[in-house]
Amino acid sequence: AQTVTQSQPEMSVQEAETVTLSCTYDTSENNYYLFWYKQPPSRQMILVIRQEAYKQQNATENRFSVNFQKAAKSFSLKISDSQLGDTAMYFCAFSQGAQKLVFGQGTRLTINP
Amino acid sequence: KAGVTQTPRYLIKTRGQQVTLSCSPISGHRSVSWYQQTPGQGLQFLFEYFSETQRNKGNFPGRFSGRQFSNSRSEMNVSTLELGDSALYLCASSLVVLAGNEQFFGPGTRLTVL
Repeated sequence: AQTVTQSQPEMSVQEAETVTLSCTYDTSENNYYLFWYKQPPSRQMILVIRQEAYKQQNATENRFSVNFQKAAKSFSLKISDSQLGDTAMYFCAFSQGAQKLVFGQGTRLTINP
Repeated sequence: KAGVTQTPRYLIKTRGQQVTLSCSPISGHRSVSWYQQTPGQGLQFLFEYFSETQRNKGNFPGRFSGRQFSNSRSEMNVSTLELGDSALYLCASSLVVLAGNEQFFGPGTRLTVL
């Protein structure tokens, strides 16, 4: 069974700093998808960024980028120029062969003014 | 376009009762998935529906069931509630069922079992 591990339960940085959230996963498959979802306090979960495993190029969405290391089964999220609105729970997720998402335990990120 | 809506938003039940939660997907979306979110177990997949058919099911007891209607709205039912069923139940919709699809989440229904 696929598993997703987020080793940082909580992180806190100052506004405008860069922060990196870690995620590792376990699978024996070659084709799969990785996601980072953001769940702000009392608000709906939204997709931040998506990576297809067969693409070597790291995905980027504005201030958000990933470092995808397929051999190491690592998928970290970098947030540049962090903003107060980035405060949220961040979940790393995996899907393969089906739409079902397997989530990590989450990292609670706080951006301080 | 309206987002995914879930009703009710909050629910309090007692052990042994049953509960039905509802999810209306984004207009045009035909796939609905359900997830349970608890502090201890995190986010766990419950089921996935497409065109009124259950396509995938998570590792939950038979007390958890669901269905999807012809208008793509979905309901999930939990019978004989247990204290451990207290959780935030999230519904997510997407256009079709496809690995790698973006799924759009609703605000959730927070169920408390006393």
